[in-house]
Amino acid sequence: AQSVTQPDIHITVSEGASLELRCNYSYGATPYLFWYVQSPGQGLQLLLKYFSGDTLVQGIKGFEAEFKRSQSSFNLRKPSVHWSDAAEYFCAVGPDRGSTLGRLYFGRGTQLTVWP
Amino acid sequence: ETGVTQTPRHLVMGMTNKKSLKCEQHLGHNAMYWYKQSAKKPLELMFVYNFKEQTENNSVPSRFSPECPNSSHLFLHLHTLQPEDSALYLCASSQGWDRKNTEAFFGQGTRLTVV
Repeated sequence: AQSVTQPDIHITVSEGASLELRCNYSYGATPYLFWYVQSPGQGLQLLLKYFSGDTLVQGIKGFEAEFKRSQSSFNLRKPSVHWSDAAEYFCAVGPDRGSTLGRLYFGRGTQLTVWP
Repeated sequence: ETGVTQTPRHLVMGMTNKKSLKCEQHLGHNAMYWYKQSAKKPLELMFVYNFKEQTENNSVPSRFSPECPNSSHLFLHLHTLQPEDSALYLCASSQGWDRKNTEAFFGQGTRLTVV
């Protein structure tokens, strides 16, 4: 069955520092992978997605992620973090063949705190 | 404007009340979802609807009753809830014909407090 692991529950970085959020997935075929961001009390917003092709994908707000099949990973990166990036970040995988397209499996999330 | 609108944004209800959450999507999608997000817990998928038919119910208590009258609207009817049902309820939608565009689009959520 599909699953997503985000090993870091909480990460703290200083403003201007680089950021990497980890995501590992379990999926039987070529995965479709997503990163979402959620500000407090808000819905989830899509940052970027991967379904095939170039393993380095660019997203909104200066984020990028790299798909590494050999490591079953899809880590999110940003070279210089801004205070407004403080939020919760969710990695997701799916859909499974036979499931409704859009039926995603989410990780537990990583809470990002940014120090000024 | 996310394309998925949830009302109300906030709801306080007693354990004996009956209320409904509404979700509407303006994206032409055919699939809709209800998620529950509680503090310190993972995102929980509750129900999945595809072309108005329920395709997934993840052992949700019967005090939560979903309704999908058409592909654009999704409701969650609530009755005799418990305090532990207090959470952020998120609605999402997705299209179902192009595997390259399988992402789900989320509404802003309804913050439910059961007193």
